[in-house]
Amino acid sequence: ETGVTQTPRHLVMGMTNKKSLKCEQHLGHNAMYWYKQSAKKPLELMFVYNFKEQTENNSVPSRFSPECPNSSHLFLHLHTLQPEDSALYLCASSLALWAEAFFGQGTRLTVV
Amino acid sequence: AQSVTQLDSQVPVFEEAPVELRCNYSSSVSVYLFWYVQYPNQGLQLLLKYLSGSTLVKGINGFEAEFNKSQTSFHLRKPSVHISDTAEYFCAVVPQGGSEKLVFGKGTKLTVNP
Repeated sequence: ETGVTQTPRHLVMGMTNKKSLKCEQHLGHNAMYWYKQSAKKPLELMFVYNFKEQTENNSVPSRFSPECPNSSHLFLHLHTLQPEDSALYLCASSLALWAEAFFGQGTRLTVV
Repeated sequence: AQSVTQLDSQVPVFEEAPVELRCNYSSSVSVYLFWYVQYPNQGLQLLLKYLSGSTLVKGINGFEAEFNKSQTSFHLRKPSVHISDTAEYFCAVVPQGGSEKLVFGKGTKLTVNP
């Protein structure tokens, strides 16, 4: 248990669906992150939020839309995804950008 | 910018054998270094970290790592591995106290065979 909770743990969605992934931390951390982990590919950083402000978007397609309403919660809104978007989506948080990251258990997303 | 190279993508070993997973980094400033472990279908879990002080760092599950500034390395070691150590291991680096985030290596898949 790292203190970072992701829901749901598993999600199957069609290409026309809209769904959201949720991440929650009550560690008092100020930075939150979304990573994508595909089979046989390196960990890909998608978005970074620092003090609720998005500080990084690594050329992520617009069908992924992040939202950070407060320092404890982070969402990833998904719409019109493609099968190649199937992956493990990991949320993480850290006290500051330079500090160690604490990861959630991930959401295993399958797009059919 | 910082970068991390994990030299081996896969390391197979037999149970109770020693193992070393290699990590080299590149940075023009002082850094903090981390090793994470990921079991199948789970998130990453911190194994150990180097922030300052002693260059030999001990972590959970019997792992340790040694920071070598001259060789810009932070290799992970365990004297005797168990089947349960089978997992993927990630090295990460970040500049000290700045506004940059962690940079992860590509990972090393450790497989412990009976």
